[in-house]
Amino acid sequence: GENVEQHPSTLSVQEGDSAVIKCTYSDSASNYFPWYKQELGKRPQLIIDIRSNVGEKKDQRIAVTLNKTAKHFSLHITETQPEDSAVYFCAARSDRFAGGYNKLIFGAGTRLAVHP
Amino acid sequence: DAGVIQSPRHEVTEMGQEVTLRCKPISGHNSLFWYRQTMMRGLELLIYFNNNVPIDDSGMPEDRFSAKMPNASFSTLKIQPSEPRDSAVYFCASSPLGGSGNTIYFGEGSWLTVV
Repeated sequence: GENVEQHPSTLSVQEGDSAVIKCTYSDSASNYFPWYKQELGKRPQLIIDIRSNVGEKKDQRIAVTLNKTAKHFSLHITETQPEDSAVYFCAARSDRFAGGYNKLIFGAGTRLAVHP
Repeated sequence: DAGVIQSPRHEVTEMGQEVTLRCKPISGHNSLFWYRQTMMRGLELLIYFNNNVPIDDSGMPEDRFSAKMPNASFSTLKIQPSEPRDSAVYFCASSPLGGSGNTIYFGEGSWLTVV
């Protein structure tokens, strides 16, 4: 079945450094890739997403890249700040069943700690 | 919009008791999801409704779990009888339409502890 693998499971960086989280997916029909941030005790919230017709998308300090050939996508956070500390989840969904239900498959999450 | 609203936010119950979690999706969203989150298993999709109809319940762990969506603005997830291993955060989420590319919005979650 469909699978999304996420690495690393934990990531510790110094404030101001960059952080990169990588995900790979198994379903070649996947074409929508959102990233969610979950702060301690809170709900997952969408921070950025990318569709398969683009290779990169940026929003201020956050960027996501997509390599469809290799079936992997990455989240890049530059100039990290302590408030970036959270668990980040990647996810993938396909259009395999056009007009029907396509399950969003989540990665296992990356716990990012940004130290002042 | 108030977002996806869940209740209760926290519940502590004894093993064997019935637990009912409630959800009000975002108005106008016709897809509703129930997820369970634990440290061991991460985010698991339990069940998905589209236009109030259960489409995929393959994630429901066992017969003790049931979910209903009697109308477009309300859903329940019931566990009867509850067991300690059911302790988790249960998230309800909704999405406009059911097709690809539509963002899923999560509620604040119901934190369940079964002792």
